[in-house]
Amino acid sequence: DAGVIQSPRHEVTEMGQEVTLRCKPISGHNSLFWYRQTMMRGLELLIYFNNNVPIDDSGMPEDRFSAKMPNASFSTLKIQPSEPRDSAVYFCASSLDRSISPLHFGNGTRLTVT
Amino acid sequence: SQQGEEDPQALSIQEGENATMNCSYKTSINNLQWYRQNSGRGLVHLILIRSNEREKHSGRLRVTLDTSKKSSSLLITASRAADTASYFCATALNDYKLSFGAGTTVTVRA
Repeated sequence: DAGVIQSPRHEVTEMGQEVTLRCKPISGHNSLFWYRQTMMRGLELLIYFNNNVPIDDSGMPEDRFSAKMPNASFSTLKIQPSEPRDSAVYFCASSLDRSISPLHFGNGTRLTVT
Repeated sequence: SQQGEEDPQALSIQEGENATMNCSYKTSINNLQWYRQNSGRGLVHLILIRSNEREKHSGRLRVTLDTSKKSSSLLITASRAADTASYFCATALNDYKLSFGAGTTVTVRA
């Protein structure tokens, strides 16, 4: 099992550019989560999908953020346009059955917006 | 917002010693989980304790849960250099939402 795979590992972009982060969850997991980690705010849940359907996007900070899950093996988080305050580490995590099961995290994408 | 708060924020111990960290939370929970994060990596699940359990063991890890005090503790026995990491508690607020604390950074000196 390769675990949760995220790409890219690092992304450096200029303010105003579009950024797309990608995630491949563990096969068979039906829940997918996008988290953001910063020193100031810690780990924040951005959006939660269950069976490819967005269930809770209340943590998405602004309309500049959007997430999709077109199938069970792929999800994207897009920021358009990006701003310096979006700089953070973005994690994707999957689980077999919501929070009753442990979350399996990818190694994250470190985003720097200059 | 973070429901859980770990204490202490940082801990430095000698290899072979035990490390204890605490987590306090505010509202009722379904379960509480502990995760480890090595530098530059994602979080790794360590142990899950349900609200009706009081103690759980996994290898060198021991977790306790006191729902009356809304607190949990994680004990790592006989620490090793490889235990150097940040440790987070996460409380399950509902059937999918985990709230993570700010973490305890543990440094194990050789």
